[in-house]
Amino acid sequence: SQTIHQWPATLVQPVGSPLSLECTVEGTSNPNLYWYRQAAGRGLQLLFYSVGIGQISSEVPQNLSASRPQDRQFILSSKKLLLSDSGFYLCAWGESSYEQYFGPGTRLTVT
Amino acid sequence: AQSVTQLDSQVPVFEEAPVELRCNYSSSVSVYLFWYVQYPNQGLQLLLKYLSGSTLVKGINGFEAEFNKSQTSFHLRKPSVHISDTAEYFCAVSDPTTSGTYKYIFGTGTRLKVLA
Repeated sequence: SQTIHQWPATLVQPVGSPLSLECTVEGTSNPNLYWYRQAAGRGLQLLFYSVGIGQISSEVPQNLSASRPQDRQFILSSKKLLLSDSGFYLCAWGESSYEQYFGPGTRLTVT
Repeated sequence: AQSVTQLDSQVPVFEEAPVELRCNYSSSVSVYLFWYVQYPNQGLQLLLKYLSGSTLVKGINGFEAEFNKSQTSFHLRKPSVHISDTAEYFCAVSDPTTSGTYKYIFGTGTRLKVLA
């Protein structure tokens, strides 16, 4: 069966520091991968998605970036964090248009 | 582009009472609709989905939803809630991308609080 992992589970970082969040999927190949951010009271916002290695589409202009160095690995990065980057980051994978499966999430607090 | 509106940000309800969480989407030629549940500090779990066919969709944990094309709605219902149903519920619609895949457009969520 397929599983999706995210780490770290929680992270506290100062403003201006770099960020790297990792997501990996097991038990499937060539999945579509997604990064969402959930800010308090604002629902889920799609940040990036990827249909294959090295293929990244950005939904919202911001100081975040994403990379997909391997088929089942998706990384969310920032060179300098802002206070507004605080939130709950969710990675998801899907094989079709029908369903997406979400990871456990990373709680990021920027201080 | 698609959009999803969840009309209630919070819904308090007593245990064993029925509940309806409302969701409306913007119209489209074809649409796939989903309800997800999120417990505190966890990821999202799929409750149910509408792809085609019967407009009444049954999901896990006793939830069901009805797709109404004329009203562009996909309301979630449960005839008798339990304390354990306390969580946040998200409605989502699947929207095509230029890459040939689909992305989800989520509503802002409804926080269901079941009272003893």
